[in-house]
Amino acid sequence: NAGVTQTPKFQVLKTGQSMTLQCAQDMNHEYMSWYRQDPGMGLRLIHYSVGAGITDQGEVPNGYNVSRSTTEDFPLRLLSAAPSQTSVYFCASSSGQGALTEAFFGQGTRLTVV
Amino acid sequence: AQSVTQPDIHITVSEGASLELRCNYSYGATPYLFWYVQSPGQGLQLLLKYFSGDTLVQGIKGFEAEFKRSQSSFNLRKPSVHWSDAAEYFCAVGPGSWGKFQFGAGTQVVVTP
Repeated sequence: NAGVTQTPKFQVLKTGQSMTLQCAQDMNHEYMSWYRQDPGMGLRLIHYSVGAGITDQGEVPNGYNVSRSTTEDFPLRLLSAAPSQTSVYFCASSSGQGALTEAFFGQGTRLTVV
Repeated sequence: AQSVTQPDIHITVSEGASLELRCNYSYGATPYLFWYVQSPGQGLQLLLKYFSGDTLVQGIKGFEAEFKRSQSSFNLRKPSVHWSDAAEYFCAVGPGSWGKFQFGAGTQVVVTP
């Protein structure tokens, strides 16, 4: 059972570089989202998607882009990395509203911007 | 707007002692509530969830949580902690519109011998 798979697990970037964090889920979930985790701030929502071709901004979207061309994949792009984007990034998916839903998380990507 | 507050940033507990983690929420409708645990360097694992019905919910690893609507609380408890329970714990509410979840800031639990 793969669940939610994130790559890479670790990444170091120089300021100004760009990169894409990959996220894939094999549960046919409609909803996918990206969070960043910073000490003392819990998880903050960056972007989310309610299905292929539909995305929207969360709480902290600046500096990030997303797209969702398939149900399975939801990559997060850092356009021009800044030290403030040093964080742990989690991708999550869920089946939507209802009594059986919960968020399933990937293992996270630890990003350092120097 | 939905929000989640975890008043305790850090808790230290002795192995074998009981543990209670607090969670207060603000939500416009009947909330769906969750507790997740994050071990060091790992992702988030669901401990338990509440949707409706019995207000005392049993989860994995010996954890339970009680929903109290009058207090807008969903506190997590374990009668006797093990060293392996050292981790960060997150309370969450949702999913709201478009499948979004709101997380608390987390409580770091340290277990001493």
